[in-house]
Amino acid sequence: AQTVTQSQPEMSVQEAETVTLSCTYDTSENNYYLFWYKQPPSRQMILVIRQEAYKQQNATENRFSVNFQKAAKSFSLKISDSQLGDTAMYFCAFMTAHGSSNTGKLIFGQGTTLQVKP
Amino acid sequence: DGGITQSPKYLFRKEGQNVTLSCEQNLNHDAMYWYRQDPGQGLRLIYYSQIVNDFQKGDIAEGYSVSREKKESFPLTVTSAQKNPTAFYLCASSGRGQEILQPQHFGDGTRLSIL
Repeated sequence: AQTVTQSQPEMSVQEAETVTLSCTYDTSENNYYLFWYKQPPSRQMILVIRQEAYKQQNATENRFSVNFQKAAKSFSLKISDSQLGDTAMYFCAFMTAHGSSNTGKLIFGQGTTLQVKP
Repeated sequence: DGGITQSPKYLFRKEGQNVTLSCEQNLNHDAMYWYRQDPGQGLRLIYYSQIVNDFQKGDIAEGYSVSREKKESFPLTVTSAQKNPTAFYLCASSGRGQEILQPQHFGDGTRLSIL
């Protein structure tokens, strides 16, 4: 069974600084997708970034980028130029890709609460 | 605008009572999911459905039931057999086939508490 671990329950960063959130996962699958979701105080789940395991290039979305280390099964999220609106809970998630039998099931980590301080 | 609507936003359950959480989507998505979120834990999958009239148990299905009679709707019933129902419940949807690998869209959630 796949598992996702986020070892940092809480983190804080000063506005405009850079912060990295950690995520490790365990799987015997070779084809899969990894996601970072953001959940602000409004509780809505918002996609931050997605990474396909078959792509070696790390995904980036504006101030958000990942460091994907497939051999180490590590998928960290870097937030540059942190803004007050980045304050939220961040979840790492895993999805296997089985071709025609894909289920779309997401496995989530426990989450990291990020506080951006002014 | 397309999206997922969950209702009610807050729900209270009495002992021995079944309650139903509503989830409606107008994204024309085939797949729908129910997750439970407890404090300090990530989301856990309760049930999912990839097509109308078909659904499968997730990791924590005991004490819950679902139906999928229409493509747009995937209601979740929390039965009296679920002894610890207090949690935040999130509904999500995605496409089918290769589209199922796309990021899921989430509703705004329902907070369920015991009276």
